[in-house]
Amino acid sequence: SQQGEEDPQALSIQEGENATMNCSYKTSINNLQWYRQNSGRGLVHLILIRSNEREKHSGRLRVTLDTSKKSSSLLITASRAADTASYFCATEGRDDKIIFGKGTRLHILP
Amino acid sequence: DTAVSQTPKYLVTQMGNDKSIKCEQNLGHDTMYWYKQDSKKFLKIMFSYNNKELIINETVPNRFSPKSPDKAHLNLHINSLELGDSAVYFCASSQGSGRFNEQYFGPGTRLTVT
Repeated sequence: SQQGEEDPQALSIQEGENATMNCSYKTSINNLQWYRQNSGRGLVHLILIRSNEREKHSGRLRVTLDTSKKSSSLLITASRAADTASYFCATEGRDDKIIFGKGTRLHILP
Repeated sequence: DTAVSQTPKYLVTQMGNDKSIKCEQNLGHDTMYWYKQDSKKFLKIMFSYNNKELIINETVPNRFSPKSPDKAHLNLHINSLELGDSAVYFCASSQGSGRFNEQYFGPGTRLTVT
């Protein structure tokens, strides 16, 4: 599998529910970031978490990082229709190389 | 004001042609990037420039040549276009080089090669 694999590939939930997306990677990293991409638009930065951090919050977003499992999760609480988008994780490896995953397509149902 | 802009937004061209995509950022950042997003949404970095100098050059065919006339611009020129070059190309910028600082992305250029 690729570095920075998101799981699931697609997720549909009811508005108001929480959405959780996961990202797994293979090699050691300096940091990991989550981005959102609305259909046909550029990517928007959400959160950066460094390798020595375990959890970060930003509004309704919560990101965790488990370096022992080489995984990260993005939790969106109290989802809204505007959260419908694709979400990507991106890792920066020790070699400074940047790799994006394929993304999770999140669909918030009214 | 648009932070990172790309032109054109859409580009349809035939195989074998040469085309350029332009990118400009007005954020005062010193690092700029080009990414390719294929039809499966997979996003891959192609190039990175810091202060007009190439710092990342991933495995990209020689037909792709970035040009950075100044810190605010990073253009992508593609020679002898092939069908597989069809994708959305994103330009991005960040403050700082080497480390993966927050990147600001442009709206993308959808390239279709026929």
